[in-house]
Amino acid sequence: QKEVEQNSGPLSVPEGAIASLNCTYSDRGSQSFFWYRQYSGKSPELIMFIYSNGDKEDGRFTAQLNKASQYVSLLIRDSQPSDSATYLCAVNAYSSASKIIFGSGTRLSIRP
Amino acid sequence: ETGVTQTPRHLVMGMTNKKSLKCEQHLGHNAMYWYKQSAKKPLELMFVYSLEERVENNSVPSRFSPECPNSSHLFLHLHTLQPEDSALYLCASSRWTSGGPSTDTQYFGPGTRLTVL
Repeated sequence: QKEVEQNSGPLSVPEGAIASLNCTYSDRGSQSFFWYRQYSGKSPELIMFIYSNGDKEDGRFTAQLNKASQYVSLLIRDSQPSDSATYLCAVNAYSSASKIIFGSGTRLSIRP
Repeated sequence: ETGVTQTPRHLVMGMTNKKSLKCEQHLGHNAMYWYKQSAKKPLELMFVYSLEERVENNSVPSRFSPECPNSSHLFLHLHTLQPEDSALYLCASSRWTSGGPSTDTQYFGPGTRLTVL
């Protein structure tokens, strides 16, 4: 079982709709959860992080965390073509800086 | 200059060459990381320097050798690489303490695209 799992996609969403990206993780000790956006040929860019169960909103982005079910999701409202990228989920266990594990990413495509 | 910088941005080397990748962070962080990103694979953590402790991924071949002279600079020394080592090498930094998770957000540099011939 992979430690951090994401559907590789591509996920195709019409412009203006809500894009929903999901991630599950295996380590119940995980404490920190991150979403990164990576454009082709570029380095990952942090979008959001979340530590507590529930929702965290930042502009058009909402991160949702459910530790009991071990999943974290990212919602993108009013999707724009510029949101087309690969979205990486990352999970950090509490105990060590070295336990940051990335998923393989979900490729999102926003169609005009 | 701000953020995390990496040089060179592109590198082509033969299997017998020796080269070094450089990373510098201007964020006041105390942890630095090397990652390898190959096509269609997750980011692979190679090395971490955190609070002066080096944490090494055992699956990293010895032809990769990190060096962290201080909290702002990180090097990756390369020698006798193989073509399968061709990838994007990313440096990241974070502010990490043992007291909790709130300071471990990683910020990435632009990467070095390495091609081994």
